[in-house]
Amino acid sequence: KNQVEQSPQSLIILEGKNCTLQCNYTVSPFSNLRWYKQDTGRGPVSLTIMTFSENTKSNGRYTATLDADTKQSSLHITASQLSDSASYICVVREYSGGGADGLTFGKGTHLIIQP
Amino acid sequence: EADIYQTPRYLVIGTGKKITLECSQTMGHDKMYWYQQDPGMELHLIHYSYGVNSTEKGDLSSESTVSRIRTEHFPLTLESARPSHTSQYLCASSPGQGYNSPLHFGNGTRLTVT
Repeated sequence: KNQVEQSPQSLIILEGKNCTLQCNYTVSPFSNLRWYKQDTGRGPVSLTIMTFSENTKSNGRYTATLDADTKQSSLHITASQLSDSASYICVVREYSGGGADGLTFGKGTHLIIQP
Repeated sequence: EADIYQTPRYLVIGTGKKITLECSQTMGHDKMYWYQQDPGMELHLIHYSYGVNSTEKGDLSSESTVSRIRTEHFPLTLESARPSHTSQYLCASSPGQGYNSPLHFGNGTRLTVT
C-alpha cells in the first residue's frame, strides 16, 4: 500500500530561524511530489512540485528537495516568519494515475512560529 | 488564490437531518473532488468527478452522494447526518490534463452533527 510519512508531527521555532520538514514515501511508480501549505481554517495551497528528474526547487523562502532513489523529500524554510505558521502537507502522485489521479497524502507537519 | 468556493463555512445540525454542502469553481476545471479531513490526519478522498455526469466514489467509505450536472458545480449530500459525519469537508478542482497540475482547494465546510 502506498504511504507518505511526514516528520516531525509538530514543530515550534522562533521567528527568524530556519527549519526543515521531512517526507518519506513508498509510492511506486513515482510521478511527482508536491508540498502544500494549509493555514488554519483554510484549504491547502500548493507551494512547489518536484518531478523525478528534479532534486531541488525553490519558491521564495521555501526550498524543496527530492531524492527519488531513497524516496525522501524535505521542505526547508529560511528566515521563518509568523505567517509561516501552518500545516505543511506532502502529497505524492503515482505515475499510473489510478483512481482520482493516484494521490497519497501525508498527515502533515504542524509548524508554529513564535515571536 | 484559486476561485473555488464552498458554502456554508460552518454547519451545526441535528442527527437525521439531510444536508447539502455546496462547491463551485469558476476556472472551468474538468476534475473536481471531495475530501474529508480530521485534525492531525491525512485527507481522505470520498468522491471525485472527471466531468459533467461523471462521478466516482473515493477510497473512504462514505454515506454521502454527489452530482455533477454543470462543470462548475459539485455538491455533496448527506441524506441522514450522524455524529460520525462530524468533520471538515474540502472541495478541490484541477484542470483535466497533465500530471503536474495542482489541486485548487476551497476553504472547507466544518460540519458538526449533534
